[in-house]
Amino acid sequence: QKEVEQNSGPLSVPEGAIASLNCTYSDRVSQSFFWYRQYSGKSPELIMSIYSNGDKEDGRFTAQLNKASQYVSLLIRDSQPSDSATYLCAVTPLNRDDKIIFGKGTRLHILP
Amino acid sequence: DTAVSQTPKYLVTQMGNDKSIKCEQNLGHDTMYWYKQDSKKFLKIMFSYNNKELIINETVPNRFSPKSPDKAHLNLHINSLELGDSAVYFCASSQVDSWGDHTGELFFGEGSRLTVL
Repeated sequence: QKEVEQNSGPLSVPEGAIASLNCTYSDRVSQSFFWYRQYSGKSPELIMSIYSNGDKEDGRFTAQLNKASQYVSLLIRDSQPSDSATYLCAVTPLNRDDKIIFGKGTRLHILP
Repeated sequence: DTAVSQTPKYLVTQMGNDKSIKCEQNLGHDTMYWYKQDSKKFLKIMFSYNNKELIINETVPNRFSPKSPDKAHLNLHINSLELGDSAVYFCASSQVDSWGDHTGELFFGEGSRLTVL
């Protein structure tokens, strides 16, 4: 059973601090890794993608991938109250006919 | 102009009834999906279609029947609704790359909240 694990939270972070969200996956041959943000009552939206080991930065967001440890993380710098949402980690398989697997999400709460 | 649109946004119905949700995408994507998100916010895939062909059919009761008349449309019909069917149903679409592999970038509709009484 291929799985993607996330701490459900809530993770509470003071405004202006760094929020660190973590995700582990079980399928070693997974191809690509994504972070989606979902506001309450809204649909998930893609905010970051990462395909190779290392860091990828986009504005205040940094995704980190370590395939050897099967670990993906998302760092949010200078956290804002508008970052309060559920963050979903998603992993795509090698097999094109296999499903994209989502974690259960981490609820992030930025404290003003 | 909405990229992935679903209708209706809300459905409230009695147990035993039948209901349908429609989805359309104007992104030109080949692959469309139905996901179910329960009260604990777990997003679980139900079906995936690629160019009108069923690719993924998770262990979903056969009361759920998807239909894809063309690659831009994916509808979901649910027969004999049960209390446990109450959830938000999301339609999504994605493109495959030149190798035919997932890009993993899903574009979601706004969701259809189904409440079964």
